[in-house]
This record gives sequence, C-alpha cells and structure tokens, in this order.
Amino acid sequence: KAGVTQTPRYLIKTRGQQVTLSCSPISGHRSVSWYQQTPGQGLQFLFEYFSETQRNKGNFPGRFSGRQFSNSRSEMNVSTLELGDSALYLCASSDWGQGRSFLNTEAFFGQGTRLTVV
Amino acid sequence: KNQVEQSPQSLIILEGKNCTLQCNYTVSPFSNLRWYKQDTGRGPVSLTIMTFSENTKSNGRYTATLDADTKQSSLHITASQLSDSASYICVVSHDQTGANNLFFGTGTRLTVIP
Repeated sequence: KAGVTQTPRYLIKTRGQQVTLSCSPISGHRSVSWYQQTPGQGLQFLFEYFSETQRNKGNFPGRFSGRQFSNSRSEMNVSTLELGDSALYLCASSDWGQGRSFLNTEAFFGQGTRLTVV
Repeated sequence: KNQVEQSPQSLIILEGKNCTLQCNYTVSPFSNLRWYKQDTGRGPVSLTIMTFSENTKSNGRYTATLDADTKQSSLHITASQLSDSASYICVVSHDQTGANNLFFGTGTRLTVIP
C-alpha cells in the first residue's frame, strides 16, 4: 500500500508570490489534514478536508487555503508569501470518519514540502 | 490554556543506553495522547496512541506511560540504537470531534552516539 505522497519536496519562492502544494493520501483514506512545522512553533494545524469539504480549520490567515478533489487528493495554496511562511508543510491522511473512532485512528504523514521564502 | 510541554528539549545518549522523554499537558478534557517519531527531513510516524484508561503501551523498544491524574506521559526507549536518533513529538487530543483539537509539543531531539 503506497504511503502519503507530497509534491514537490522542496520549493524556493520569492516574497509576494503564491505557491501550491499537493498531497495524495493513502488509497481509501478520505481525510487529509495539513500542518505547518517550524523550529520554534512545532506542528500547527492548518485545516482538514474530508470528502471534498473543509471539515476543520486552524488559526491561520486567509492567505492559506486548500481544496480536495474527488479522488481525495488535496492541494494547499499560500498567496502573497511572506518570509515567515518558510516552513515544512506536512499533510496527513487518515480514515477517521469512515466508521472508525477518532480515538483509534492513526494519522499517516507524508514526507513534507520544505518551502523557503526569500 | 491547552498546552503540551516536552522535556528535555534535546538529549544525547550513548548507543545501548536507555532514556526517558517527558510530556506534560494541560489539555482538558483529555481524549488521547500520541507519541510520534520524526526523522530529519521526514514526516512523523506514530509510535503509540493511549486513551485516558491506559497506563502503559509498548511498541518494541518504546514504552509509553500515561498518568491522566497528573497529566503526564513519558516515552521510555530501551537499549537505544543509532536509528533512534530523531525528534519525538507528544500530541494530545482534547475531544473526539476533529483533527484541529490536536495539541502538539515542540518535541525532544534525541541523538544516539556510538
């Protein structure tokens, strides 16, 4: 069974540009969550999508948005990039909400996309 | 305020030795606690998941304990190996309703040296 795939692995962008990151979850999983990881802040939740609908959202500005397609693949977009957006962006897939309790659901993380804003 | 604090921030041990990582949380009401291992440049991998009714859970050389009364958890690594070098992240959930109710510690960076 293939794992969670994130593309690209590395990105360098200029301040003010926008960027789109992609995440393909484990086959059969319909929940995809996105996280930002920085050395000082640790992992912070961005949003979660389930069956093409945003189910939960963290406390990030509107410049951060996402979507999910019918095949459960998800994209995250960051507009008007700022230097502080430099981070490792991780996505996680799970089968939570598909008949399994959240208590027992494991989230499987991708390798992440390392975004550097210069 | 719901918080998760881990200690120490970093740790260096000799190969073959044991070590214990700590996680204290103020998340309430508590739902479950997870320990993840994150190798450099890779995504986190789940080691254990514990609910409030579980005191101990093992996964090979990793043993997690939970004291829901004192809101403390520990991850004990036995007979460390070089491959244990990684960051270990404690994650606490405060209810069953969604991923955004996960609170993350900033991790303990473990380095195992030969």
